[in-house]
Amino acid sequence: EDQVTQSPEALRLQEGESSSLNCSYTVSGLRGLFWYRQDPGKGPEFLFTLYSAGEEKEKERLKATLTKKESFLHITAPKPEDSATYLCAAGRGGSNYKLTFGKGTLLTVNP
Amino acid sequence: DAGVIQSPRHEVTEMGQEVTLRCKPISGHDYLFWYRQTMMRGLELLIYFNNNVPIDDSGMPEDRFSAKMPNASFSTLKIQPSEPRDSAVYFCASSSSLAASSYEQYFGPGTRLTVT
Repeated sequence: EDQVTQSPEALRLQEGESSSLNCSYTVSGLRGLFWYRQDPGKGPEFLFTLYSAGEEKEKERLKATLTKKESFLHITAPKPEDSATYLCAAGRGGSNYKLTFGKGTLLTVNP
Repeated sequence: DAGVIQSPRHEVTEMGQEVTLRCKPISGHDYLFWYRQTMMRGLELLIYFNNNVPIDDSGMPEDRFSAKMPNASFSTLKIQPSEPRDSAVYFCASSSSLAASSYEQYFGPGTRLTVT
């Protein structure tokens, strides 16, 4: 059975304090690893797709990386507006449209 | 584009009643997904459609749940009869197999269902 585990469950940072979120996965024939951001009361918002180990993608203060067993979302010098729940999802081989989501990391950035 | 539209945004019903959730995907998208989100289980895929045809409904919890997609611009998720354990936020998402990043799923705002 496909599994995606995110850690930590919650992370509290001071503004400017860089850190990383972890997503470990057990998926047969990974076809894509996805990161989403979810604000309270809203649907998940797509951030990145990573397809192969060693791949990196960046968007503003966020950088996502991928290895054969896990992905990291690095947050550099975060701001309060980066506060949200970050979700990781894995798409399996042969059916990339079917995603298995982790439970997310709730990030709080204090000013 | 208006994005994925869901209605209602909030639904409160009594146990045993029928509940119908509605979704309008992004125009031109050929995949539609229904998810359920709870604190305990996170975001779970219930069913997804391709070109209006159900492809995988293995996530539908019980026969009380059913989903239809009569055309490319409308889908429903029905629960009959509803139970308190069905209380959750239900999301609809859509994606396009023709897009450059064809596996990106775009989510609606969700329907918060409370069954008392």
